[in-house]
Amino acid sequence: EIVLTQSPATLSMSPGERATLSCGASQSVSSSYLAWYQQKPGLAPRLLIYDASSRATGIPDRFSGSGSGTDFTLTISRLEPEDFAVYYCQQYGSSPRTFGQGTKVEIK
Amino acid sequence: EVQLLESGGGLVQPGGSLRLSCAASGFTFSSYAMNWVRQAPGKGLEWVSSITNSGGNTYYADSVKGRFTFSRDNSKNTLYLQMNSLRAEDTAVYYCAKPAAIGKFYFDCWGQGTLVTVSS
Repeated sequence: EIVLTQSPATLSMSPGERATLSCGASQSVSSSYLAWYQQKPGLAPRLLIYDASSRATGIPDRFSGSGSGTDFTLTISRLEPEDFAVYYCQQYGSSPRTFGQGTKVEIK
Repeated sequence: EVQLLESGGGLVQPGGSLRLSCAASGFTFSSYAMNWVRQAPGKGLEWVSSITNSGGNTYYADSVKGRFTFSRDNSKNTLYLQMNSLRAEDTAVYYCAKPAAIGKFYFDCWGQGTLVTVSS
């Protein structure tokens, strides 16, 4: 099973700042089959990025993903008030599909 | 509009059983493999189970294997998760989730979730 480790656990940022979230895999993620989700309290997760760097439908271009192998990054170029949430990475290159433990982006 | 609507959650004693349902609409249900993902209170996401589009094959996380059974009725556009021998650690919000495309395993549509609480 591939274990995904997200860092940091919490990111304290101000609106307008650039946020960089990391997701490290215990083994190489085949074909860069990695996704990122955003989750707000009481709501279901929302797909942001798939295949490591492709934005899902309707996702603003301030969200970008990069990486390959065991190291992946989600970047939010300029934080908007609605971006403060928890972010999860997920690998789907091998079974079982696994999620990271999440990074909370909070308002400083 | 693609919609997933879970139901069937509630409070159950340890060792008990519960059946969750997920009603799907707005897409060609019988073409998609489907999934259950759960989230314990205050915790992260955990994939629970997948089922192929025909229902012929199912896959489970080790944590639920032998206790949970995933099935579907394509004539009713509905998924079912039969949960037996429930444990306290099964307490979670259970989401059904649709892949973004046929053959893919990332999820672009999630239900609102249904809460399962296992407690005496």
